[in-house]
Amino acid sequence: GQNIDQPTEMTATEGAIVQINCTYQTSGFNGLFWYQQHAGEAPTFLSYNVLDGLEEKGRFPSFLSRSKGYSYLLLKELQMKDSASYLCAVRDSGYALNFGKGTSLLVTP
Amino acid sequence: GAVVSQHPSWVICKSGTSVKIECRSLDFQATTMFWYRQFPKQSLMLMATSNEGSKATYEQGVEKDKFLINHASLTLSTLTVTSAHPEDSSFYICSARDSGLAGGPVLYSNEQFFGPGTRLTVL
Repeated sequence: GQNIDQPTEMTATEGAIVQINCTYQTSGFNGLFWYQQHAGEAPTFLSYNVLDGLEEKGRFPSFLSRSKGYSYLLLKELQMKDSASYLCAVRDSGYALNFGKGTSLLVTP
Repeated sequence: GAVVSQHPSWVICKSGTSVKIECRSLDFQATTMFWYRQFPKQSLMLMATSNEGSKATYEQGVEKDKFLINHASLTLSTLTVTSAHPEDSSFYICSARDSGLAGGPVLYSNEQFFGPGTRLTVL
């Protein structure tokens, strides 16, 4: 089975940097994804990690440590439009994605 | 490229009726499509994996006779909610993975592309 944990809610200020953590315990591992989802909309892809280390990707770099079962997503230069839910998802060997419960981020002025 | 569409975007139906939701990959071929369900303020829960030309694989707790999945072509998968009840009201989202069968390079082999979702309300 899959156990994926991330904080339920976070609040940050416009222009700041925020880090959203995700820990996982899974029976198989074939990559970790981060998605952004606005209310009532489908998730949109942000980043993908399969090897350890930091994947630099614009304002949304992501980090993975497979030995620790840990990932984080960085959101740099926060904008009001970044207020959304951020979903951590682990892919098993069959390509299906197992999602965490999501972190609701509120960006304040 | 890599666009997935869903139809309808929202539907309201009476309890006991059946509803069909279509998921199409518009510019790539998808051997495998996935169906997810999302209840309010909760995350996406995988319901089933749909494989072209074969039976779908359902996750534990998902009734295969209630949620009928057909994946008849490389660009279309359908989910039919049979004898819908109010507790089936949810946001249903499909995703597709580029199989690379079209002959060109697989653009995003590590990525699933999500449809815009279908909001189902059962009265």
